[in-house]
Amino acid sequence: AQTVTQSQPEMSVQEAETVTLSCTYDTSENNYYLFWYKQPPSRQMILVIRQEAYKQQNATENRFSVNFQKAAKSFSLKISDSQLGDTAMYFCAFMKHTGANSKLTFGKGITLSVRP
Amino acid sequence: KAGVTQTPRYLIKTRGQQVTLSCSPISGHRSVSWYQQTPGQGLQFLFEYFSETQRNKGNFPGRFSGRQFSNSRSEMNVSTLELGDSALYLCASSMGLLFDLNEQFFGPGTRLTVL
Repeated sequence: AQTVTQSQPEMSVQEAETVTLSCTYDTSENNYYLFWYKQPPSRQMILVIRQEAYKQQNATENRFSVNFQKAAKSFSLKISDSQLGDTAMYFCAFMKHTGANSKLTFGKGITLSVRP
Repeated sequence: KAGVTQTPRYLIKTRGQQVTLSCSPISGHRSVSWYQQTPGQGLQFLFEYFSETQRNKGNFPGRFSGRQFSNSRSEMNVSTLELGDSALYLCASSMGLLFDLNEQFFGPGTRLTVL
């Protein structure tokens, strides 16, 4: 079974600064996908960024980028130029790349607070 | 385009009762997935429906069931409610199946409290 670990329950960052959220996972699969989701206080979850395990290049979406270390099974999210609207709970998630039982496995989440 | 809607938003039930939650996906989306979110267990995948068929299932007991209608709307049913079923239930819709890397769009959730 796959597991996703987010060891930091809370983090805080000053507006305009950079912050990195950690995530590690455990799997015996070789082909899989990794995701970061954001859940703002209003509770509607949105996809921030995703990474296919077969791609060596780290995914980037505007101010959000990942550091994907496949051998170390690490998938951290870097938020540059933090904004107040980045305050939210962030979930790291894993999904194996097979049709059978392809489900999302989430970490426990990390609460990020951006200070003005 | 309207987003994913879930009804009701809040629900209070007592142990032993059963409950039905509803999810209307974004127009044109054919896949609906359900998740349970609790402070202790975090976010857990319940099941995914696509074209009225359950395609994937998480590790939940048979008391949790669902269905999808021809218009892609989905319902989730929990029978014989237990205190531990108190949670935020999220549904998410996507154009196609999860494993095809279709982006999911989440609803606001239904907050279920079991007394």
